[in-house]
Amino acid sequence: SQQGEEDPQALSIQEGENATMNCSYKTSINNLQWYRQNSGRGLVHLILIRSNEREKHSGRLRVTLDTSKKSSSLLITASRAADTASYFCATDAETSGSRLTFGEGTQLTVNP
Amino acid sequence: GAVVSQHPSRVICKSGTSVKIECRSLDFQATTMFWYRQFPKQSLMLMATSNEGSKATYEQGVEKDKFLINHASLTLSTLTVTSAHPEDSSFYICSARDQCQSPNYGYTFGSGTRLTVV
Repeated sequence: SQQGEEDPQALSIQEGENATMNCSYKTSINNLQWYRQNSGRGLVHLILIRSNEREKHSGRLRVTLDTSKKSSSLLITASRAADTASYFCATDAETSGSRLTFGEGTQLTVNP
Repeated sequence: GAVVSQHPSRVICKSGTSVKIECRSLDFQATTMFWYRQFPKQSLMLMATSNEGSKATYEQGVEKDKFLINHASLTLSTLTVTSAHPEDSSFYICSARDQCQSPNYGYTFGSGTRLTVV
């Protein structure tokens, strides 16, 4: 079952602006992962944050995790038109046996 | 990095026929692979966990006889949609994880298969 909820469902911004996407989940997790999907393609792993970590950076990406609120956010700074894609969070729950549960996703559109 | 190759990328078949989708880990061994289904503008739904040398584990509500999974080697898992019907039309994606990669790395996904049943 899908336990992740993401907001917003869709986000449209101008190039150069920052984009923030949020994810909430329901059970205890080992880690939370963010993925990107271009239309009609597979998913590309962006970043993994462990349950004992609070923040992680990778290039223009910044991920935060608040296990007390069971939520995470993905920030993309200085967005580019090429960042246009769907972004999904996925949780690796403690009881899932390494099976990922995906959020509903955020469709990001970056306008040139 | 780890690469998962999925074929075919697109397939159109007639109702009642069966379709096989292959998922290969190209440069690593995958004892476990995962099969997902994705409807347009929706998230990924896990269908089953494919285990090398043993039976697949299906998620609740997924018909085992409809979606046959075979994981005969450490680098290949196949999903066969049997007696396909239009409602089986969807985007199917596989994934695997290279256990030798950094624990900070997630799963590697295939490029997906767009199945259209007419």
